[in-house]
This record gives sequence, C-alpha cells and structure tokens, in this order.
Amino acid sequence: AQSVAQPEDQVNVAEGNPLTVKCTYSVSGNPYLFWYVQYPNRGLQFLLKYITGDNLVKGSYGFEAEFNKSQTSFHLKKPSALVSDSALYFCAATLRGSARQLTFGSGTQLTVLP
Amino acid sequence: EPEVTQTPSHQVTQMGQEVILRCVPISNHLYFYWYRQILGQKVEFLVSFYNNEISEKSEIFDDQFSVERPDGSNFTLKIRSTKLEDSAMYFCASTPLPPGNSYNEQFFGPGTRLTVL
Repeated sequence: AQSVAQPEDQVNVAEGNPLTVKCTYSVSGNPYLFWYVQYPNRGLQFLLKYITGDNLVKGSYGFEAEFNKSQTSFHLKKPSALVSDSALYFCAATLRGSARQLTFGSGTQLTVLP
Repeated sequence: EPEVTQTPSHQVTQMGQEVILRCVPISNHLYFYWYRQILGQKVEFLVSFYNNEISEKSEIFDDQFSVERPDGSNFTLKIRSTKLEDSAMYFCASTPLPPGNSYNEQFFGPGTRLTVL
C-alpha cells in the first residue's frame, strides 16, 4: 500500500529565512507527487507537482520542490519565507496509470515569524 | 479563475439522519472526487467518479455512502444514516481528463464541515 509521510507536524521559521517542509513517500512504481496548501477555512490549493523530467520543480508563490528518487523524498522549499506563507501544507502522491486517487501526508503546519 | 464550489459550508445533523453534500465541479472537468478529513487527521480518499459511474472507492465508502451527478453541473455525496464518526470536513475535487500520459492536478473545493450529533 502506498503511503506519504510528513515527519514534522510543525515547522517554525523566521521571515526572510529559507524554509523546508519534508515529505517522503512509499509507493511501488513511479509516483506523481504534489504539494497542496490549506489556509484556515479554505480548501486545498495546488502548489506544484512532479510528473517527470527535472527533479527540481517550481510552483506557485515562489515555492519549489526537489524529487529525490533514491531517498524517496519530495521536500518543499522556498528561499525566503513570508509571514503570509503560514499555513498547513500537505504532500500527496498518486500512482501512474488508471489509479488517480491522492494519498495525503498528515500535514505540516508552517509558521513564519515576523 | 474557475473554482470548485461546495454547499453547505457547515451541516449539522442528528445521528441516523440522511445528509446530502453538494459540489459544483469546474465546468469542463470530467473526473470528480470526494475526500474527507476527520479533525486532526489526514485527508482520506473516498470515491472517484467518471462517465457517470464510480471509478474507484476506498474501504471507507461503504453502503451508507452514494454519489450522483444528477445534472450537468452538480456532484453530490449522500450519507444515508449518519454516524458520529462521520463528522469530518468533506472535500470535493475535480480534474480534466488528461490527454496521453499527462496528469492534471486535482482542484479542491472549500469543503463542507459535517457535524453529527
């Protein structure tokens, strides 16, 4: 069975500093990988995805993520955090082929301190 | 920018009652999904729907659950006899049918918070 792990429930970072939100996956085969962000009382907003090609993918709001097949990781990064980046971040995976359901990690609450 | 909408935003019901959660997917999308998130837990897949039939369903999606696309715009989730443990945030999502081997991200609605008393 496939699974996605986000080892940190909470990440705190000072404004202007780089941020990393970690994600590892356990999927048989080659997955599609995603990051979503959830603001209070809002739905899940798509940030970026890895399908194939370059291991470094760039997404919305200056976020990027690096796919590392050997470490089965897909960490979310941003060079300079903003207070407005404070939100709940979810990593998700799905298998290639007909299966399209997303398997989510448990989420990481990012707090950017002014 | 088009978005997925869901109604109501919050539904309170008594245990044993039937509830219908409504979603309007993005108009040119063809794949639809329901997920749920119990407070403090992961977002979990319930069911996917394509071409007027269920494509996949999880073990959570038992006989108490059903989905329907009653017209060209709405996509509904019905829970026939709600239980306390059905209390959760329910998210609808949609995605266009991707050409070839590409994969489109799923677009999520804002969710319906279901509270079963």
